[in-house]
Amino acid sequence: QKEVEQNSGPLSVPEGAIASLNCTYSDRVSQSFFWYRQYSGKSPELIMSIYSNGDKEDGRFTAQLNKASQYVSLLIRDSQPSDSATYLCAVEGGSNYKLTFGKGTLLTVNP
Amino acid sequence: DADVTQTPRNRITKTGKRIMLECSQTKGHDRMYWYRQDPGLGLRLIYYSFDVKDINKGEISDGYSVSRQAQAKFSLSLESAIPNQTALYFCATARASRSGNEQFFGPGTRLTVL
Repeated sequence: QKEVEQNSGPLSVPEGAIASLNCTYSDRVSQSFFWYRQYSGKSPELIMSIYSNGDKEDGRFTAQLNKASQYVSLLIRDSQPSDSATYLCAVEGGSNYKLTFGKGTLLTVNP
Repeated sequence: DADVTQTPRNRITKTGKRIMLECSQTKGHDRMYWYRQDPGLGLRLIYYSFDVKDINKGEISDGYSVSRQAQAKFSLSLESAIPNQTALYFCATARASRSGNEQFFGPGTRLTVL
């Protein structure tokens, strides 16, 4: 069974710091990886996608992928209180167009 | 703005009742999905569809059925609702991109079965 593991948190960081969110996955044939942000009571919002080993940057967000270690991470620079949310890691395996989601990490950014 | 909409947004019903949750999208995506989200269990896939003639079960399809009435519409039915189907339900659509199958979620339906 495909598994996606995340530390449930809460992860607490001060405003302006770097928040680091981690995710591991079990299916070695996984091709694409996604990070979603979900505010309490709201729907998940796609913030980053990555499919090649290495780093991908978009504004304050950087996704990092290491397929050999089956590990994907999300860095949030200059964290803001508005970044406080649950971050979901999602993994797409092979060509089945389905995503397997982790249970999410709750991030709290303290002013 | 291209969007994914869900109706109703909130629903309270009784055990044994038939319930239909509807999803519409103006994104022009072929792929549509139904998920439920429960505290501590995360998002779990109920059904998915790649076009009007293609319906597939997800990991937790028992007790649910779906209908893909058109490319833009995908409905989820609970034939006889039970309390453990109380959850937050999300519809999602997807497009293919260089980075894979990016999914976009509707606002959700909060369903309570008494």
